Order: sequence, then structure tokens, then C-alpha cells
Amino acid sequence: GENVEQHPSTLSVQEGDSAVIKCTYSDSASNYFPWYKQELGKRPQLIIDIRSNVGEKKDQRIAVTLNKTAKHFSLHITETQPEDSAVYFCAAIPVGGGYNKLIFGAGTRLAVHP
Amino acid sequence: DVKVTQSSRYLVKRTGEKVFLECVQDMDHENMFWYRQDPGLGLRLIYFSYDVKMKEKGDIPEGYSVSREKKERFSLILESASTNQTSMYLCASSPQDSSGELFFGEGSRLTVL
Repeated sequence: GENVEQHPSTLSVQEGDSAVIKCTYSDSASNYFPWYKQELGKRPQLIIDIRSNVGEKKDQRIAVTLNKTAKHFSLHITETQPEDSAVYFCAAIPVGGGYNKLIFGAGTRLAVHP
Repeated sequence: DVKVTQSSRYLVKRTGEKVFLECVQDMDHENMFWYRQDPGLGLRLIYFSYDVKMKEKGDIPEGYSVSREKKERFSLILESASTNQTSMYLCASSPQDSSGELFFGEGSRLTVL
């Protein structure tokens, strides 16, 4: 079945720096790759997603890139701010994983220091 | 705004007790999910349901069962709780379309002593 690996597990940056989180997936037929942000004590929420027919997608300070050949996708946060501190999860929907059955990575704890 | 409500934020149970975790969504979503969240392991799918009375196993169903008698409600049942089921449990729902987005509840933190 699908396996999603996420790196790094923790990331510490200074305010204003960029942060990059990378994920690899095993099922070449996966076609949907969302990113969720979970602030401390809160529920995970979708922040950006990308489908396999697109190589890059941006939304203000966040962007996601997808390399289907290498089977990896990345989250890029520019001009980081303290409110970006959270745990970030990548995910993929495997083949036959209809019903939005997501397989998640292990998560990255991002700390942005003022 | 989609609302997914989990009945208990914090529970403490003893080994061998039967535990019910309830989840209700108010957006008429067809799909509902139970995930377990553990540090370093991310979110792992326990069970999901795509319709009333329909259920399918996820990646870690052992020790759990589910019930979906009404479209808006999805219950996770631990027949005989064990200490290794101490965890954060997250319920989620999504519409039937292929948008992919899951809407999560706030989570239920279960401690089994």
C-alpha cells in the first residue's frame, strides 16, 4: 500500500527565514497531495494541496511543488512568522483510495523563533 | 462552517473497560474517518465509513470497531481498552466528491491506566 515519508521531523528557523518540508510517496498512481497544519491543541486544517497534473501551486507565503518522476512533494514557507509554528502533515491518496482516504506522513514540528 | 464535534476531549479509562468515542458532523458528509495520532507516527487510519452502516478497515483496525447508524454520527469503540491504546483520536469527515479535503474534530485524548 501507499507509504508517505516526511522529513525533517523537527525544524527550527528564525523569523523571516524560509522553511522547507519534504515528503516522498511510494504509489506512483497517487494523484492528490494535501498539506495540513496543526497548531498546538487544535485540529489539523488543510492549508494547501496539489494534484498530479500540476507541478507547483502557490498561496501567498506558502507553496507546494510536486515531482511525479521522483515521487516527492515539498512545502515551502517563505518569510516565516511566529504564527507559522505548528506541526505540518503531508498526505497522499493511494490507488483505490477513494472516499478521500488519506495516508499521512509522520509530521514536522516547525518552530519559528522571533 | 463545517463542524465536526467529538463528544469527549479527555477521557481516562482502566484496562479492560469498554470505551465509546462519539463524533458528529453537521455538513451532511458521506465519508467519516477515525484516525489515531501518536508522536512520530503521524495520523494513522483506524476505520472509515462511506455511508450509513458501511465501514471499512484502515491501516490499524485491531482492537477497534465502529458504528454508523446515522449519517451524521460515527462512533469508535474499544471493546476492551489496553494501555497501548492511550492516544489522541481524531475524527474527520468529507463530502463524497473527490476534493480530498478532510474536516477534523478537535480530538479526544484517551488515557488507559
